[in-house]
Amino acid sequence: EAEVAQSPRYKITEKSQAVAFWCDPISGHATLYWYRQILGQGPELLVQFQDESVVDDSQLPKDRFSAERLKGVDSTLKIQPAELGDSAMYLCASGGGSDTQYFGPGTRLTVL
Amino acid sequence: GDSVTQMEGPVTLSEEAFLTINCTYTATGYPSLFWYVQYPGEGLQLLLKATKADDKGSNKGFEATYRKETTSFHLEKGSVQVSDSAVYFCALSDWGAAGNKLTFGGGTRVLVKP
Repeated sequence: EAEVAQSPRYKITEKSQAVAFWCDPISGHATLYWYRQILGQGPELLVQFQDESVVDDSQLPKDRFSAERLKGVDSTLKIQPAELGDSAMYLCASGGGSDTQYFGPGTRLTVL
Repeated sequence: GDSVTQMEGPVTLSEEAFLTINCTYTATGYPSLFWYVQYPGEGLQLLLKATKADDKGSNKGFEATYRKETTSFHLEKGSVQVSDSAVYFCALSDWGAAGNKLTFGGGTRVLVKP
């Protein structure tokens, strides 16, 4: 069964450092999402891509976060500089044209 | 804007007990409704979905019915197992000008004891 891949699974960094997360969606899925899940809460959308284009990044803190999907396949989410409040699970999801989204295992970020 | 409210946990049950998790929503359009499950340290797995009023989603013994008149999508299972211990998220997907993001509730932790 096809799955969404994410790496790394865990990342510990110090504040003010740069971090990057990678996501490879299910093959053929044109839509890719990045969500942030703070411990004890539901995920919240950061950015949505359709192929290589950003569809919605209204909740992405653009002063420190950036996301790209250059060839319309895999994607990278970057934080620079990281702050203590960025500690969370970062989830990637993909969709193949319906409204169902399939999630990867996530990257757990801890900022010290 | 869209929102999802689900009962707070934790919900603690004995094995073979009946489980209900309440979920209500607010949406401007005609959303699809989902239940996702999250096991410790993992991502979200789709449990079931319903796309229109009166649809019933079902999977692995879990069921939920899309009730437009009460804007609800309660999750039920007749006989839970220890392996059902997880966090359950109710969510809606509504197509708008900016795509079709999922809006999640806060999650309900379920603990099933042997």
